[in-house]
Amino acid sequence: KQEVTQIPAALSVPEGENLVLNCSFTDSAIYNLQWFRQDPGKGLTSLLLIQSSQREQTSGRLNASLDKSSGRSTLYIAASQPGDSATYLCAVAFYGGSQGNLIFGKGTKLSVKP
Amino acid sequence: NAGVTQTPKFQVLKTGQSMTLQCAQDMNHNSMYWYRQDPGMGLRLIYYSASEGTTDKGEVPNGYNVSRLNKREFSLRLESAAPSQTSVYFCASSVLAGVYNTDTQYFGPGTRLTVL
Repeated sequence: KQEVTQIPAALSVPEGENLVLNCSFTDSAIYNLQWFRQDPGKGLTSLLLIQSSQREQTSGRLNASLDKSSGRSTLYIAASQPGDSATYLCAVAFYGGSQGNLIFGKGTKLSVKP
Repeated sequence: NAGVTQTPKFQVLKTGQSMTLQCAQDMNHNSMYWYRQDPGMGLRLIYYSASEGTTDKGEVPNGYNVSRLNKREFSLRLESAAPSQTSVYFCASSVLAGVYNTDTQYFGPGTRLTVL
């Protein structure tokens, strides 16, 4: 079964700390992997999309890496701020899945303390 | 440019009642999606429409029907609501059809549905 796992489920860090969120997936045959942010009571906002042929993507203080062979992706957040507090979701488009079917992890809830 | 809009924001139904969740996008996207989000389960795809005039089942389609009314609008209907359908429902859209595209999905703010 194609699954996406995110560990830890929750993370609390002091402001200014660099941090890494982890995503693992069960099948290396993927089209792409995306990281989303979800604020409480809100929809999802796309942060980064990595194609299967890419190793990493960067946007501002965010850097996402992809290692298909090990079935892992990481989201690195530099110099964290209280405004980064949110739930971060990883989603994978697997080969063999139906068109449009992203498989989501359950998310990591990040709290950045002032 | 409002992006993806959903109505209503909140809804309470009694078991057996029916309702339609509305979704519209103004980004000229071809593909649209309906997800549900449940605690401990993550987001799961209910139905999607790769292009105007087509719809396909996702992971959890039972108890739902959809209509791609035009390129902008994609509605989700619960014919006979059940407590198991209590959830947060998200609509999303993307430029191109399917997982082969290089474009991300853009999400609406969600509809919080409670079925008593």
